[in-house]
Amino acid sequence: AQSVAQPEDQVNVAEGNPLTVKCTYSVSGNPYLFWYVQYPNRGLQFLLKYITGDNLVKGSYGFEAEFNKSQTSFHLKKPSALVSDSALYFCAVSKGPGYSSASKIIFGSGTRLSIRP
Amino acid sequence: GAGVSQSPSNKVTEKGKDVELRCDPISGHTALYWYRQSLGQGLEFLIYFQGNSAPDKSGLPSDRFSAERTGGSVSTLTIQRTQQEDSAVYLCASSILTGEGAFFGQGTRLTVV
Repeated sequence: AQSVAQPEDQVNVAEGNPLTVKCTYSVSGNPYLFWYVQYPNRGLQFLLKYITGDNLVKGSYGFEAEFNKSQTSFHLKKPSALVSDSALYFCAVSKGPGYSSASKIIFGSGTRLSIRP
Repeated sequence: GAGVSQSPSNKVTEKGKDVELRCDPISGHTALYWYRQSLGQGLEFLIYFQGNSAPDKSGLPSDRFSAERTGGSVSTLTIQRTQQEDSAVYLCASSILTGEGAFFGQGTRLTVV
């Protein structure tokens, strides 16, 4: 069965500092991995995805994520945080390349990112 | 349409009543997902449709919940005999391929009183 773990309910970072939001996953075979962001009273927005290829994936708003197969992790990172990055972040996984059937996308419990000025 | 459309945006219903939530996916998207998000919480997977394949219903919390997708497009999530614990935001998403990620609607906020 697919599962995603986001071990931190909340991450607090000072503006201008680097940020990391952690995610580990479990899925049979190779995964598709995603990060989404949810701003207050707004819908979920797609940030970035890993399908195959380079382990470092770049996405919207200066975010990037690093796929680590041996550690089954897909941590979200940003070199310099902005106050406007404060939001709820979700990691998600589905069965990926080589899986013949289509697959559902399973989300983690979310991490609330708070950037202080 | 340009995005995933859900209706109604808000629904208040009395305990024990049935409700129907509607989702119009992005045109051409063969995959459709329903999730539930309780206040400030994570996304709970409910059901997944992919083309003409049998839906993955493994996330439906009880037999009071059902969903259908007509003509491979519009989907309706039905909750029978609603309970207070059903109160949540119900989110619909669609995708053209799983690897492309899913695009979400704004959700339906259901309140059972």
